[in-house]
Amino acid sequence: DVKVTQSSRYLVKRTGEKVFLECVQDMDHENMFWYRQDPGLGLRLIYFSYDVKMKEKGDIPEGYSVSREKKERFSLILESASTNQTSMYLCASSPLTRTYEQYFGPGTRLTVT
Amino acid sequence: AQSVTQLGSHVSVSEGALVLLRCNYSSSVPPYLFWYVQYPNQGLQLLLKYTTGATLVKGINGFEAEFKKSETSFHLTKPSAHMSDAAEYFCAVSDGSHYQLIWGAGTKLIIKP
Repeated sequence: DVKVTQSSRYLVKRTGEKVFLECVQDMDHENMFWYRQDPGLGLRLIYFSYDVKMKEKGDIPEGYSVSREKKERFSLILESASTNQTSMYLCASSPLTRTYEQYFGPGTRLTVT
Repeated sequence: AQSVTQLGSHVSVSEGALVLLRCNYSSSVPPYLFWYVQYPNQGLQLLLKYTTGATLVKGINGFEAEFKKSETSFHLTKPSAHMSDAAEYFCAVSDGSHYQLIWGAGTKLIIKP
């Protein structure tokens, strides 16, 4: 079975802190994604990566950056956390196949105070 | 551009009743279609998918969905709702040419005892 793990289930940070969210997948998938999920807004794509060191902006990249130094690991960075970044963050991975089915981690609920 | 519409942000059914969650998509090419389920405070789990072949697709937990090209629909059904089905359900589409999935806004399924 595909396993996608995220470093924390719950995280509380202060405004202005630098925040790292880590995601690891064990199925050698080429593609990895970071989403945020807010009530009534569904899933919104922040960034995705289709290869090591490659990244592309999604729909809402402002205030975020990402790093993919190894194929299995994709990190989301909040350079200076703000209260409007309080959200559920979901990581996903997918293989390079025609269907692009995505596999999700359990999510990190981040609260910025 | 592709889009996915889920009719109803909340759907309420009685335990034992039929579950019907609606999903319509727009795509200029034959799509790949997915339903995901999200239980509270968890990540998304693939429920079922349509790629090619049989248009009636069976998934986990007794759910099924039918791809109707003429109606551009992929509605999710279950003959008899169970309390454990209470969750949020997301429909998604890929045309196979991009890395991303296009997501519906989600439908929260509420089961009344």
